Amino acid sequence: DQQVKQNSPSLSVQEGRISILNCDYTNSMFDYFLWYKKYPAEGPTFLISISSIKDKNEDGRFTVFLNKSAKHLSLHIVPSQPGDSAVYFCALQTSYDKVIFGPGTSLSVIP
Amino acid sequence: KAGVTQTPRYLIKTRGQQVTLSCSPISGHRSVSWYQQTPGQGLQFLFEYFSETQRNKGNFPGRFSGRQFSNSRSEMNVSTLELGDSALYLCASSVIGRAPEAFFGQGTRLTVV
Repeated sequence: DQQVKQNSPSLSVQEGRISILNCDYTNSMFDYFLWYKKYPAEGPTFLISISSIKDKNEDGRFTVFLNKSAKHLSLHIVPSQPGDSAVYFCALQTSYDKVIFGPGTSLSVIP
Repeated sequence: KAGVTQTPRYLIKTRGQQVTLSCSPISGHRSVSWYQQTPGQGLQFLFEYFSETQRNKGNFPGRFSGRQFSNSRSEMNVSTLELGDSALYLCASSVIGRAPEAFFGQGTRLTVV
C-alpha cells in the first residue's frame, strides 16, 4: 500500500516562476511533514518542515502548506532558480519517529 | 561539525555474497536510519536504531539486518545478495526529541552482478 504519493514524477518550470510540488497521503497518524531535496550522487538534504498543528510554514523562497482534511501537502518555490533543479521528496514522520518518503518529483528549472 | 559518513561509497558484489555497510552519524546524534533507493521507488525505509536498539523496521526480508554500537555508529548487513539488491543505500542521523529533520550521508552504491 502506498501511504505517500507524489503524482507528478517530473515538473518543468521557467526560471523566476513558481514551482508547486504536491504530496498526498492516506493515513492521519503523521506528526511532522518534511521536504527534502536530492541532487544526483548526493544524499537528500532537508529543506523545510511543518508540524501537524500548523497549515503553513515559510522559509525564504520556500513555503510548505498542509491541508489535513484533504491529506495534502505542497511545497511552493518562488521565484524558482536553476539551482533548484533536483529531485524533491516529501517525508512524513510519525510520533514514533518512523519516516515514510514519497517517490519523489524531479524538478527542472529552465533558464 | 562533520556530517554523516558512509563507507564504502561504491561496492560491487556477486550474487550469493554478503555485504556490510557502515555509517558514522553526526556527533551527538543517537538515531540512525537506513534507506534503500532504487530508480522509480524513491526511498524505502529499512530500519532505525536508537541507543543500540532497533526501534522501527520497514518491510524488507530478513536478509537485511543492522546494528548500532555504543558510539552510535551503525552497520547494515545484507546476506545472500540478489541482483535486485543493487541500489543506493542511504544512512541518516537525527536528534530525537528536537527538530524532526534527518541528515543524510552520501550513500553507498551497491551493484550486485
